Amino acid sequence: EVQLVESGGGLVQPGGSLRLSCAASGFTFSSYEMNWVRQAPGKGLEWVSYISSSGSTIYYADSVKGRFTISRDNAKNSLYLQMNSLRAEDTAVYYCARGSEESDYGAFDYWGQGTLVTVSS
Amino acid sequence: DIVMTQSPDSLAVSLGERATINCKSSQSVLYSSNNKNYLAWYQQKPGQPPKLLIYWASTRESGVPDRFSGSGSGTDFTLTISSLQAEDVAVYYCQQYYSTPRLTFGQGTRLEIK
Repeated sequence: EVQLVESGGGLVQPGGSLRLSCAASGFTFSSYEMNWVRQAPGKGLEWVSYISSSGSTIYYADSVKGRFTISRDNAKNSLYLQMNSLRAEDTAVYYCARGSEESDYGAFDYWGQGTLVTVSS
Repeated sequence: DIVMTQSPDSLAVSLGERATINCKSSQSVLYSSNNKNYLAWYQQKPGQPPKLLIYWASTRESGVPDRFSGSGSGTDFTLTISSLQAEDVAVYYCQQYYSTPRLTFGQGTRLEIK
């Protein structure tokens, strides 16, 4: 069974840092492209970042570029998101999501339950 | 970025009736070389992550009931639930992946029981 389990969320002050992790199981993690998607409280979905299966190709949304860093450790079946210089508008549930092979990895077929990041003083 | 606009924002439908949700993209998401529309639909229930329903605009994800169907091409798309069930109450999102990796979602449509 495919599972994605996020961790690392919490309350942080503006300007602070947080590192999110996503532990993957039930599939060959190293073969799949992965993403982070966030959802502010009561709002819609926003794509945040993408990483290729090998980790060699990375993209970010303009809203987080220069502040967030995505990475992965295929030996540990884990995905990460290092978040620096956090702002109030970064407050959201952060989901890791797997690219669907059938959709050429553009749609997301498995999502974690999410981890809540709250940026507030 | 491609802007995705859904209509209506909310919808109330009686059990057993048809529900229709529309999604319009600011530019075509049809890739001419393979004639595929890079459009997906998701269902999100309260307190849960989104669930993939449809990709390539009309291909149902494995395990999704056949009362869910997707249609449309280019810039205009529709998600149809042929006979609404109580468990279909949720927020539905469309998503384009034409401009991968700059994926964008619609604002969501809240579906309720009338």
